[in-house]
Amino acid sequence: NAGVTQTPKFQVLKTGQSMTLQCAQDMNHEYMSWYRQDPGMGLRLIHYSVGAGITDQGEVPNGYNVSRSTTEDFPLRLLSAAPSQTSVYFCASSYFGQVGETQYFGPGTRLLVL
Amino acid sequence: GDSVTQMEGPVTLSEEAFLTINCTYTATGYPSLFWYVQYPGEGLQLLLKATKADDKGSNKGFEATYRKETTSFHLEKGSVQVSDSAVYFCALSDRSGGSNYKLTFGKGTLLTVNP
Repeated sequence: NAGVTQTPKFQVLKTGQSMTLQCAQDMNHEYMSWYRQDPGMGLRLIHYSVGAGITDQGEVPNGYNVSRSTTEDFPLRLLSAAPSQTSVYFCASSYFGQVGETQYFGPGTRLLVL
Repeated sequence: GDSVTQMEGPVTLSEEAFLTINCTYTATGYPSLFWYVQYPGEGLQLLLKATKADDKGSNKGFEATYRKETTSFHLEKGSVQVSDSAVYFCALSDRSGGSNYKLTFGKGTLLTVNP
């Protein structure tokens, strides 16, 4: 199993550009989520999905869109990048969001918006 | 809402020293508690977890006990190694008010172990 994979590893954008961060998992997990990690802030939940076709907002959803057309993939879209979106982004997955379930994290995408 | 508070870092120790990283939480339901570790340049990985009061999670010499009476889940290790240098995150998962599952993280504690 590859686990949770993310692409790209690093990206530089100009303000106003759009891009999609890719996330895929091969563990047949129902639950997938996106976090951003900023210094001194820990991890904050952006969006999550409990299964194909179902998504919902997390703590900091503004400026980001998601979709879940398959169980395996959960892309995160930035429609018009802003410097405030400079961060490290992590995708995670688990079996359906049971309270005690372990989440598996991807290696992260480091995004710089100029 | 749910929240996790962990001790501010950074923490710098010498090899073989004793480690404690404090973590306290507030939750509306019956949460599970986790410690995740992030090694330099990598994503987070589960270190240990406890799903009910008085449970002790342990892994790689680390341990933490779920204390409901003090709402705490402190991480301890008796003798740290250089390879333990990483950022440690305390986290809880809960279903607040019957809503969907949510994982809440502390801000992380950077541990540096010197030889």
